[in-house]
Amino acid sequence: AQTVTQSQPEMSVQEAETVTLSCTYDTSESDYYLFWYKQPPSRQMILVIRQEAYKQQNATENRFSVNFQKAAKSFSLKISDSQLGDAAMYFCAYRPYKSSGDKLTFGTGTRLAVRP
Amino acid sequence: SAVISQKPSRDICQRGTSLTIQCQVDSQVTMMFWYRQQPGQSLTLIATANQGSEATYESGFVIDKFPISRPNLTFSTLTVSNMSPEDSSIYLCSVLDRSGNTIYFGEGSWLTVV
Repeated sequence: AQTVTQSQPEMSVQEAETVTLSCTYDTSESDYYLFWYKQPPSRQMILVIRQEAYKQQNATENRFSVNFQKAAKSFSLKISDSQLGDAAMYFCAYRPYKSSGDKLTFGTGTRLAVRP
Repeated sequence: SAVISQKPSRDICQRGTSLTIQCQVDSQVTMMFWYRQQPGQSLTLIATANQGSEATYESGFVIDKFPISRPNLTFSTLTVSNMSPEDSSIYLCSVLDRSGNTIYFGEGSWLTVV
């Protein structure tokens, strides 16, 4: 079974600084997707970034980028120029590629606080 | 992406009653999922709902407690039956987008059982 581990229950960053959230996963699959979702106090799960395992290039979305290390099964999220609106719970998630119906497996989340 | 609307957004329910949560998508999707997020916890998949077939439930979740309907490709409901305080959670509807790559979520329904 696949597992996703987020070892940082809480993180804090100064506004305008950079922070990195860690995620590791365990799978025997070779093809899969990895995601970071953000959940602000409004509760909605918002997709931040997606990485396909077959792509060597790290995904980027504006201030958000990932460091994907397939051999190490590591998938960290870097937030640059942190803003107050980035404060939220961040969940790392895994989904196998083998079929279109497979579920997401989530980590336990990291609560990010942004200090003004 | 997909725009997903859930109703109700929030409700306070009496113990022993049932509540149905509605999920409407702005486009046709094949796969819809229902998740539960208990207070301070991560998300747990309740079931996968395909149009025209019975929902597939994850271990620990049963149809009698969480009946699901999927009458068409844009709509689904989840009923939480005979509620107890342990059912107090956020229930989230999600869909697999048409590319088959990404799962998007609705705003969630926050239920408190008293």
